[in-house]
This record gives sequence, structure tokens and C-alpha cells, in this order.
Amino acid sequence: EAQVTQNPRYLITVTGKKLTVTCSQNMNHEYMSWYRQDPGLGLRQIYYSMNVEVTDKGDVPEGYKVSRKEKRNFPLILESPSPNQTSLYFCASSLGGGQGTQYFGPGTRLTVL
Amino acid sequence: AQKITQTQPGMFVQEKEAVTLDCTYDTSDPSYGLFWYKQPSSGEMIFLIYQGSYDQQNATEGRYSLNFQKARKSANLVISASQLGDSAMYFCAMREGSSYPYNFNKFYFGSGTKLNVKP
Repeated sequence: EAQVTQNPRYLITVTGKKLTVTCSQNMNHEYMSWYRQDPGLGLRQIYYSMNVEVTDKGDVPEGYKVSRKEKRNFPLILESPSPNQTSLYFCASSLGGGQGTQYFGPGTRLTVL
Repeated sequence: AQKITQTQPGMFVQEKEAVTLDCTYDTSDPSYGLFWYKQPSSGEMIFLIYQGSYDQQNATEGRYSLNFQKARKSANLVISASQLGDSAMYFCAMREGSSYPYNFNKFYFGSGTKLNVKP
């Protein structure tokens, strides 16, 4: 089944404790992206990747890191999480960058205390 | 300026009636794409429909159609014959083209419209 998977689905952590949210897709998509969703703000793009070893910032990259060492995986790293990073996070993938329809993962609900 | 504006935070519609969800966008790029996504209470994001800026016809997918008015920069989603399962949050999104200074790898989402379908 074609899908985007994220882990963990739910995470409660404390300020400053490094964490990684994994994202994996099995559709051989070149493009992958991370978003955060906050009430009243919709989804905002954090980082995206056009292919292996090619990443770039979205609109809200501060406090986040990403890497793309393999085509299928695109982990989101929070080196020192803060409460303002409490949010719902989505990973998405598509063929050919913006020309393709994005398929979203199930979301990761992160709470930073 | 906001790239995508959805001015209806919440809407109600009677089952079996049609409903229009508004979306306006802001870009100077002649090449762009517009998307609508549905987010049920379970949280997943479901792709509904896509309209390219050069597409001559309005996009349709089953009960969903996109009322694309280029001069007004609007891309309203029309859901015909609403069903109870249509109750969800709906997001409009845009990506621009590939010519500098635009970046077709960046996506912009609106703040969403919460649709409630009444039996």
C-alpha cells in the first residue's frame, strides 16, 4: 500500500530534550516536506527536500533541522525543543516537487512541556 | 501579505445541499497550482482537487468542483449534495511556478474552513 508513515504519532517531552520525528514513504517520491499545523494558522511549511541531500527552508524553519540521506526517509529533528514547538506535524511527499499532488502522513502530535 | 486567504472559519450546510467554500490567493506568478485538502476529525489530510493556472476548464472530481476565477484570484471549492461525512476542516493551498523569484517547491496553506453538515 502506498503510504507516508510517521513515528511517533504522539509525543510528550520536556524543554531542551532532543527529539527526532521520522518520516518514510514507499512511493519513490523525490519531494518530501514537513509542515506544522496550529489552530487558526493552517499548515506552515518547515523544510522541504527535492531529492537526496537537497533540502531547503520553508516559512518556519527556526528550531528545526532535517536530513535526507535516503530517498524514502526525511526525519525532522528538534535539537532543543521549546513549548512554542507544541504542534501537530505532518510529513508529505510527492513526485516532482510542486508539480505533484502531495500525500500526507498521519501526523505527529507533539507537546513540549 | 497572505498568500492564501480563507475568510470563513466555520460554515453549516444542510445535508444534500450544495456548499461553496471560499479561497482567494495572492501571487504575481502566471504559473501556479491550487489545491484543496480535507481534514476530518481523525486528523489525516486528504487531497480533493487540483487546478493549474493554465487549465482552461474548472477542475471537477466527483462531487467536488473548483470554481476558478483567475481575474478575481479566487478558487472556491463547491461540494454538491453534501453528506454527513463531509463534515471536516477544509484547506486551500497554492504553490507558485519555477521561474525566479518564485519557488514551486514551496506550498502555502490557508487557515481553513470548518464545515458542519446538518442532518
